[in-house]
This record gives sequence, structure tokens and C-alpha cells, in this order.
Amino acid sequence: DIQMTQSPSSLSASVGDRVTITCRASQSISSYLNWYQQKPGKAPKLLIYAASSLQSGVPSRFSGSGSGTDFTLTISSLQPEDFATYYCQQSYSTPSTFGQGTRLEIK
Amino acid sequence: QVQLQESGPGLVKPSETLSLTCTVSGGSISSYYWSWIRQPPGKGLEWIGYIYYSGSTNYNPSLKSRVTISVDTSKNQFSLKLSSVTAADTAVYYCARGYLGPYCGGDCYDYWGQGTLVTVSS
Repeated sequence: DIQMTQSPSSLSASVGDRVTITCRASQSISSYLNWYQQKPGKAPKLLIYAASSLQSGVPSRFSGSGSGTDFTLTISSLQPEDFATYYCQQSYSTPSTFGQGTRLEIK
Repeated sequence: QVQLQESGPGLVKPSETLSLTCTVSGGSISSYYWSWIRQPPGKGLEWIGYIYYSGSTNYNPSLKSRVTISVDTSKNQFSLKLSSVTAADTAVYYCARGYLGPYCGGDCYDYWGQGTLVTVSS
């Protein structure tokens, strides 16, 4: 299985901050990398697919980059509704696997 | 707007079979991949498997011997069966639609059900 490792595991930030979350794959996955946002008690929401493509309806303050093994999710200016847990996921090979999550908390 | 809704027992006894159904509304089940994903309480996400509307399946090798996913296009539903469950199978189970965008191949999930907690306990 391809292992996905996110860093940091948790992060405290303030409204208006620029935040970057990193995801590393245990082998090259080209651009088969997706990002999800999950709020407590809710299902995950697809934010970014194919490493850098913004899913329809997702605010433009979210962006993704990277290819191969190293990827980043950036939120350009944190809004109150962005405090949540973020997961990366590889769709390169079976089984599809997720990172352990990054919990973004209010400072 | 596509909506997914999981249904099934919230409590299953050890060694028995967990059975869940996902009903898709607001769109056809045809031409998409349909997945089951689970999340143990307080933990991360685990992909269980998917079924294409035509009936072809792909399962997580770690669960393959215990998992069956089926589809009923006439009812716009797909189902999960997980046999010989243990406490380790306690989780919130989500059904989700596989997005067919680039670099996804059905393995990006753009619509999700709300999730249903299944507890394995005697």
C-alpha cells in the first residue's frame, strides 16, 4: 500500500493567516492526489483533486500544488469556517489511501 | 443535487455480518463508481471498496476476504456486506460517489452520505 504522511498533525492559526499543510507519498503518485476537509460529525468534502484542481464550489483561497511524492494544500487567508481536519488521499493505486489528517485549530 | 443516504443496523454482534445500503437520489447511479469508506471513532479514513454501476468491483486487499459490494440499478442503490465482524470494525461507514475527473478514475469522492455509526458489540 502507498503510505500518505501529513504534516503537521495539528496546527493552530488565526483568522486571516496563510496556512500550508504538507502531504508526502511513500512512492511517486504523479498528480493522483486529492484533499478533503472534514468538520466534526460531518462527511469529508472534496476540495482539490488532481493535486491542483479546485472542486466546483470551493472558495479560491484554497489551492493545491505538487507532483510525484510531495504535495501541499494552502489556504491563503483563513476564515472561521475553515477550522476543520484536512486529509490528503492518493488515487494512484489500489487500495486508495488517506493521510492521517491535519487538525486546524483556532489560535 | 445528488444525495446519498446510508441505512442499516447500528449494532452488530461479533462474528456476524454487517449489512448497509446506500440510496442515491437526485441523479442516476449509472456511469459512476460508488464507494464505501469507513472511519473508526476519532481516527482516519479507510477505503473499503467500490463498485461500478455495471457491477465490476474493487476491494481493499486488507478486507477483501470479508467484503461484498453489490448494486441494484433499478432501485438506485448499492450495498455493503462485511462478514465475521469484530470490535475493530466499529466505525462510521460512509457511502460516496466516485468522481470521474482527471487523475481520479473514480477514486475521488465528490458526493458523500452523512455516515452511519455501526458498533460491533455483544
